[in-house]
Amino acid sequence: DAGITQSPRHKVTETGTPVTLRCHQTENHRYMYWYRQDPGHGLRLIHYSYGVKDTDKGEVSDGYSVSRSKTEDFLLTLESATSSQTSVYFCAISESTLAGSTDTQYFGPGTRLTVL
Amino acid sequence: SQKIEQNSEALNIQEGKTATLTCNYTNYSPAYLQWYRQDPGRGPVFLLLIRENEKEKRKERLKVTFDTTLKQSLFHITASQPADSATYLCALEGYSTLTFGKGTMLLVSP
Repeated sequence: DAGITQSPRHKVTETGTPVTLRCHQTENHRYMYWYRQDPGHGLRLIHYSYGVKDTDKGEVSDGYSVSRSKTEDFLLTLESATSSQTSVYFCAISESTLAGSTDTQYFGPGTRLTVL
Repeated sequence: SQKIEQNSEALNIQEGKTATLTCNYTNYSPAYLQWYRQDPGRGPVFLLLIRENEKEKRKERLKVTFDTTLKQSLFHITASQPADSATYLCALEGYSTLTFGKGTMLLVSP
């Protein structure tokens, strides 16, 4: 398995509180991604990073921010959690070798977040 | 944006039969397409990648086809086993990202 860990693995929080999820990789891959997965919607991209301090928005970025200060860590922050952000969050990594293309993605184990 | 359709209903087959899953897409044809497997409570795992100039790709009991005219990919598992039961996702490449279908659940009964 690719060396990807996510923390915490489970979290229950209350509406309006800030939440930060962490993704850590040991593969030195350039690209990192945050997805959420919900029944009926599948996997949807929130944000991604193509290098240290380089990030871009995905399909469902509203209400989320990210930061990448080191190659190995990619943080996802919910500034003020809402019940609609209850979901399973997956981090993925990829080592693209061609400009403008993406290679295979390797996924972490996921974080189950419940916002009450 | 790219729209991807995979059968939302679960596919139930008997052990030993061939399972065929479908992935249809609209809009532009991607340079390549990927298939992933996801088990309950776990992240997706990459299975196969097929490029637009490849009609067919095989890996052990798995076979993927890619028809850019029909805008469709078919994913086959031959001699299916109960251990093949999982959700299978297709994913289309974008610029530095992938767009995933919602997946089709496969149930293989002994």
